[in-house]
Amino acid sequence: KQEVTQIPAALSVPEGENLVLNCSFTDSAIYNLQWFRQDPGKGLTSLLLIQSSQREQTSGRLNASLDKSSGRSTLYIAASQPGDSATYLCAVSSERETSGSRLTFGEGTQLTVNP
Amino acid sequence: NAGVTQTPKFQVLKTGQSMTLQCAQDMNHEYMSWYRQDPGMGLRLIHYSVGAGITDQGEVPNGYNVSRSTTEDFPLRLLSAAPSQTSVYFCASSFGTGIGQPQHFGDGTRLSIL
Repeated sequence: KQEVTQIPAALSVPEGENLVLNCSFTDSAIYNLQWFRQDPGKGLTSLLLIQSSQREQTSGRLNASLDKSSGRSTLYIAASQPGDSATYLCAVSSERETSGSRLTFGEGTQLTVNP
Repeated sequence: NAGVTQTPKFQVLKTGQSMTLQCAQDMNHEYMSWYRQDPGMGLRLIHYSVGAGITDQGEVPNGYNVSRSTTEDFPLRLLSAAPSQTSVYFCASSFGTGIGQPQHFGDGTRLSIL
């Protein structure tokens, strides 16, 4: 059974810092990995999707990497801003999953960027 | 530019009552799914559909029914609400079977069962 772990569970940084969020998964047979952002009381906003054949994806100040063989992904946020404060969720779509394209989620990293 | 729309946003029910959570998408996505989000448990798949007339169970289907009569709509029905169903419910959609495609989520329905 696929399991996804995110470390740290919470992170507080001053504005302007570069930071890294970590995600690990137990089964490397995946189709893709997706990073989401969730604001309090809101839904999930997709940030980046990395296909299993890719090593990284970039969008603005965000860069996500994928090391499929070791079961790891990182989300790098450059020059953090208070508006980046949110919970960041990592989710994988597993090849061995029978429920269509069910995503297996980590529990998230709660990020606070202090002005 | 609506994307995935869920209604209602909030609901309080009494144990034993039934209700339907609505989900609609305007992106012509074949794949739609329902998740519930609970503290310490993350998001878990309840039911999913790969197209109109086709539905299947996810990880935690007990106590919930779904149907898919149109491509756009995928309602989730609670047959007899129980306090254990207190949760935040998210609907998601994507192209095709969903495999390899980004999934788009609604804003959620926050449900409390008393």
